[in-house]
Amino acid sequence: NAGVTQTPKFQVLKTGQSMTLQCAQDMNHEYMSWYRQDPGMGLRLIHYSVGAGITDQGEVPNGYNVSRSTTEDFPLRLLSAAPSQTSVYFCASSRRGDSTDTQYFGPGTRLTVL
Amino acid sequence: AQSVAQPEDQVNVAEGNPLTVKCTYSVSGNPYLFWYVQYPNRGLQFLLKYITGDNLVKGSYGFEAEFNKSQTSFHLKKPSALVSDSALYFCAVRTSGNTGKLIFGQGTTLQVKP
Repeated sequence: NAGVTQTPKFQVLKTGQSMTLQCAQDMNHEYMSWYRQDPGMGLRLIHYSVGAGITDQGEVPNGYNVSRSTTEDFPLRLLSAAPSQTSVYFCASSRRGDSTDTQYFGPGTRLTVL
Repeated sequence: AQSVAQPEDQVNVAEGNPLTVKCTYSVSGNPYLFWYVQYPNRGLQFLLKYITGDNLVKGSYGFEAEFNKSQTSFHLKKPSALVSDSALYFCAVRTSGNTGKLIFGQGTTLQVKP
């Protein structure tokens, strides 16, 4: 299994540009989520999904959209990038959304918005 | 509100000495606690978790953590530190009914010197 994969690894955008961060998992996990990591703030949840066709907002959802058309994929869209969205983005998945399940993380996407 | 605190931004320890990385939590209900490690320019790797049962949890790479309900703590420990243990460590918590949402501490950098 490849586990959780993310593309691209690095991206530079100009303010106002849009882009999609890709996330895929091959473990047949129902639960997937997106976090952003900023220095001194740990990881903060952006959006999550408990299964195909179901998404919900996390702690910091503004400026981001998600969809879950398949079990495997969970893309994160930035509609109009802002410098405040400069961060490292991690996708994670777990077998279910149960609180006891371990979440497995992808390698991350480092995004810079100029 | 649920929260996790890692009171030390950085912990320095000499190779071969025991190490402790501290974590305290505040939740309503039963806590499910996790430790993750992040090596430079990598994603988060799962180390261990406490769900129920024995308060001493053993995990990967010789790490262990002790759950203390009265002190609401979940400190990460290792009897003998290695230089290769140098990394960023995150404590996280979930509660029952809090579907999928991991609440992270801000992270502690561990530096192990030869």
